[in-house]
Amino acid sequence: EAQVTQNPRYLITVTGKKLTVTCSQNMNHEYMSWYRQDPGLGLRQIYYSMNVEVTDKGDVPEGYKVSRKEKRNFPLILESPSPNQTSLYFCASSFFGTSGYNEQFFGPGTRLTVL
Amino acid sequence: TQLLEQSPQFLSIQEGENLTVYCNSSSVFSSLQWYRQEPGEGPVLLVTVVTGGEVKKLKRLTFQFGDARKDSSLHITAAQPGDTGLYLCAGLHVGEKLTFGTGTRLTIIP
Repeated sequence: EAQVTQNPRYLITVTGKKLTVTCSQNMNHEYMSWYRQDPGLGLRQIYYSMNVEVTDKGDVPEGYKVSRKEKRNFPLILESPSPNQTSLYFCASSFFGTSGYNEQFFGPGTRLTVL
Repeated sequence: TQLLEQSPQFLSIQEGENLTVYCNSSSVFSSLQWYRQEPGEGPVLLVTVVTGGEVKKLKRLTFQFGDARKDSSLHITAAQPGDTGLYLCAGLHVGEKLTFGTGTRLTIIP
């Protein structure tokens, strides 16, 4: 089954304790991205990757890191989490359609709480 | 960052009624997508509109892209409880990332 998987689905942690949220896709998509979703703010892009070893900042990259060592994996790293990073996080992957637009496939989400 | 404003932010209607949700921007997009997100899940793509003035139908859902490619609407006919969810529009410039709208949370009351 074609899918994007994220782990963990739920995480409660404390300020300053490094954490990693994993993301994996089995659709051979080149493009992957991370979003955070907050009430009233919609989905905001954190980082994206056009291909292996190619990553770039989205709209809200502060406090986050990513890596793309393999095509299928795109982990999100919070080196020193803070309470304002409490949010619902989504990983997404996509291909580019004939018109150059990308149809994004989303993972199930990771709900992170930083105390 | 190009802003996409959706209205209304919340909508609660009775089963069987019709409704329209709007997605507006001051920017021109090469294409626009609509997603639906259900509780505990990620957004799922419903449709992509590419041409100004384009209308696409998906059963009881009708999507329209504005002539100037700055706005879009989603019309649902005879709403059903299964239509309940968060509806997100997302605009794309060629070669750039998607910009998501603020979302419309729709509740259909049986």
